[in-house]
Amino acid sequence: DTAVSQTPKYLVTQMGNDKSIKCEQNLGHDTMYWYKQDSKKFLKIMFSYNNKELIINETVPNRFSPKSPDKAHLNLHINSLELGDSAVYFCASARGFPNEQFFGPGTRLTVL
Amino acid sequence: EDQVTQSPEALRLQEGESSSLNCSYTVSGLRGLFWYRQDPGKGPEFLFTLYSAGEEKEKERLKATLTKKESFLHITAPKPEDSATYLCAVQAPGNQFYFGTGTSLTVIP
Repeated sequence: DTAVSQTPKYLVTQMGNDKSIKCEQNLGHDTMYWYKQDSKKFLKIMFSYNNKELIINETVPNRFSPKSPDKAHLNLHINSLELGDSAVYFCASARGFPNEQFFGPGTRLTVL
Repeated sequence: EDQVTQSPEALRLQEGESSSLNCSYTVSGLRGLFWYRQDPGKGPEFLFTLYSAGEEKEKERLKATLTKKESFLHITAPKPEDSATYLCAVQAPGNQFYFGTGTSLTVIP
């Protein structure tokens, strides 16, 4: 009964490929997030959705596109992968305010 | 620019040796300050939320406090299982979130 799950856990791919990471939460939360954690462990918010509506869209290349088919899912699609996209990507969810976020286990993306 | 700075970057303690971690922020209109714990290879795990200066929260050996410019996470008599990276995050107006770079804590038996 995992609260926030992500698939896959590891993703190794070549430069230029397109890939997707899936996220699902079973907590009944309204808000979901995508974060990128770099090699120095710095977590940076990328996107936030509230009730399937995009509310935060940080300065992220437009090769990254989030998709929320329903409140429980927020997927991340990445086009034309670059070496600098290698990182761990975390999905998180929260209910209203305060935004105490619950994080998924992360997806380690390696671009070769 | 809004910033969150954590210090020290790394901390090694003997088991039972109490200490404090610092999180200073320059966010205007703070809506909340959050502490998380992150174990290697895992996602951050929520610990505390603080909203206003003077507020304190406690959980087992951890106690978080908040002033107008910084927060402290006090660890009393730590155990080896407290070893982890502790992350501070602030929520600004507009639902923006900013994380610090964390403090890596190692507790030696």
